[in-house]
Amino acid sequence: EVQLVESGGGLVRPGGSLRLSCAASGFTFSHYSMIWVRQAPGKGPEWVSYTSSGSSSIYYADSVKGRFTISRDNARNSLYLQMNSLRAEDTAVYHCARIAYGLVHFDYWGQGTLVTVSS
Amino acid sequence: EIVLTQSPGTLSLSPGERATLSCRASQSVSSSDLAWYQQKPGQAPRLLIYGASSRATGIPDRFSGSGSGTDFTLTISRLEPEDFAVYYCQQFGGSSWTFGQGTKVEIK
Repeated sequence: EVQLVESGGGLVRPGGSLRLSCAASGFTFSHYSMIWVRQAPGKGPEWVSYTSSGSSSIYYADSVKGRFTISRDNARNSLYLQMNSLRAEDTAVYHCARIAYGLVHFDYWGQGTLVTVSS
Repeated sequence: EIVLTQSPGTLSLSPGERATLSCRASQSVSSSDLAWYQQKPGQAPRLLIYGASSRATGIPDRFSGSGSGTDFTLTISRLEPEDFAVYYCQQFGGSSWTFGQGTKVEIK
């Protein structure tokens, strides 16, 4: 069974940093591209950052470019998101999701971890 | 960036009725890059349809997707109680993804 479990969320002050983790199981993690998607309270999903299976291709949404860094450790079956210079508008539930093999849609999602940026 | 506009914002229907949800793109989208998701309160989105018309694993056949170019449709043939939720369309293009703002299907 495919499982994605996020951790690392919490309350942080504006300008602060946070590192999110996503533990993957039930599939060969190193074969799949992965993505972080966030959802602000009462809003629709917004993609944040993408990494290919071997980290050779990495993309960021304009809203986080230069502040967030995606990485992965295929030996540990883990995906990460380092978030710096956090702003109030970064407040959201952050989900990691698996990208279907060879395609572009997200076939499995984690339940998410809540990040709240507030003073 | 391609903008996806979903309509209506809210659909009030009774169990057993047919639901038709629309997703319109600001420019042409490849059908292979169009997906639909269902989200219930407190849960992550769940993939329903990919490639505009292919059902994801385990999705009942009362869910169907159609369309091409800039106009796409998700149809639920007969609403079951568990289908009342928010539905999002999504597209991929230019190394980025965008989602529509969602259609809420609520019990009338």
